[in-house]
Order: sequence, then C-alpha cells, then structure tokens
Amino acid sequence: ETGVTQSPTHLIKTRGQQVTLRCSSQSGHNTVSWYQQALGQGPQFIFQYYREEENGRGNFPPRFSGLQFPNYSSELNVNALELDDSALYLCASSDTSGSNTQYFGPGTRLTVL
Amino acid sequence: GEDVEQSLFLSVREGDSSVINCTYTDSSSTYLYWYKQEPGAGLQLLTYIFSNMDMKQDQRLTVLLNKKDKHLSLRIADTQTGDSAIYFCAESIGSNDYKLSFGAGTTVTVRA
Repeated sequence: ETGVTQSPTHLIKTRGQQVTLRCSSQSGHNTVSWYQQALGQGPQFIFQYYREEENGRGNFPPRFSGLQFPNYSSELNVNALELDDSALYLCASSDTSGSNTQYFGPGTRLTVL
Repeated sequence: GEDVEQSLFLSVREGDSSVINCTYTDSSSTYLYWYKQEPGAGLQLLTYIFSNMDMKQDQRLTVLLNKKDKHLSLRIADTQTGDSAIYFCAESIGSNDYKLSFGAGTTVTVRA
C-alpha cells in the first residue's frame, strides 16, 4: 500500500509569485485535504476535495485554490504569495466509506522571501 | 466553536508514563485523534477514538475521553527516547467530519 506523497519537498519563492504544490493520495482513498502549518503552530485546514469538487473550505482567501484529478491526486495553488504564506503545507487523504481518518504526507516546506 | 487546547511542553524520564491532555469545544465531534510529528516531518496518526467510547488501548497507548468535560488524554506507557516529538490532538468538525481542528501541539521531551 502506497502512502501519501507530496512534491516538492522544499520550495523558495518571492513575494507576489505563484506556486503549485502536488499530492498523491494513499491507494484506495477518494478524498484529499490540505492544511497549512506555520512554525510552532498546529495545522490549519485550507480545503478538502471529494470527487474533484471542493467539499469544504477553511478561513483562507481565494488566492488559495485547489484541484483534484480523476486519479484522486491533487494540487494546491497559491497566487500572489505573501511573506506569511511561508509554512509547511500538508496534504492528507482519507476514505469517506470508512472512519474518514486522514493520513498525512510528509509536507512541502514553502519559504516566501 | 472550534478551539482545541493543549499544554505546550512535557518532560518525562525514560521508562516512565507520559500523559498528554487536551480540551476541545465541539461536542458534536464524532472522532478525536492523536497525531505525532517528528522534526521536519509530516503528521503520523497514532490513534483515534470514536466519541461514544470512554477508553481505547493500543499497545503502549491509552486514550481516555471524558465527553462531559470535553477532555481527551493520551497516555504513553514505558516512554522511550523515540517518543520525543510534538503530539497533536485534533477533533473532527463539520458535516461528515470533513475537517480536522488541531491544537497547537505538546512537545514531549524524554530524558535519560
């Protein structure tokens, strides 16, 4: 069974740029969620995708957007990067037919200069 | 509301038991979770408990849930140096429990 994978591992961008982060779900999972974890804090929910549709959204501005593909992989896009976007971005996959437990990938560390 | 609170630090001697406490606010949460995060890594699911249970045991881990007080605890028996990490409590939120609300994490340091 393949776990959740994310790419890239690390990324450095400058303010105002755009970034795309990628996630591959765990085998058999149909739902993907994205979280932002700032240094020293717990993860904050950004949004969730189920069957290629946004299934819920946290308190993040529209410049945070996402996609889910038919193979259940996902992208997180952030436009007009700000310094405060520097964080660890975590992807989690789950299977809504079970306990809906979310399994996390290793994360992408984004630094905005 | 969504607000999960945890104590920030815990120091424990190797071989002793660790107890990490958490309080949450959403009484409709169906599941409550404990995750572990090692430096520079993602979150590893340790265990979870269904809201109609009081206790769950899984090898060295024991989860206690007091739903009346909205209090969750994680006990780690025979704590080892490999248990040094940040531990996050999380509650499921929303219809179909689609979202997790996390605490700020408890940093556990195991000393020899």
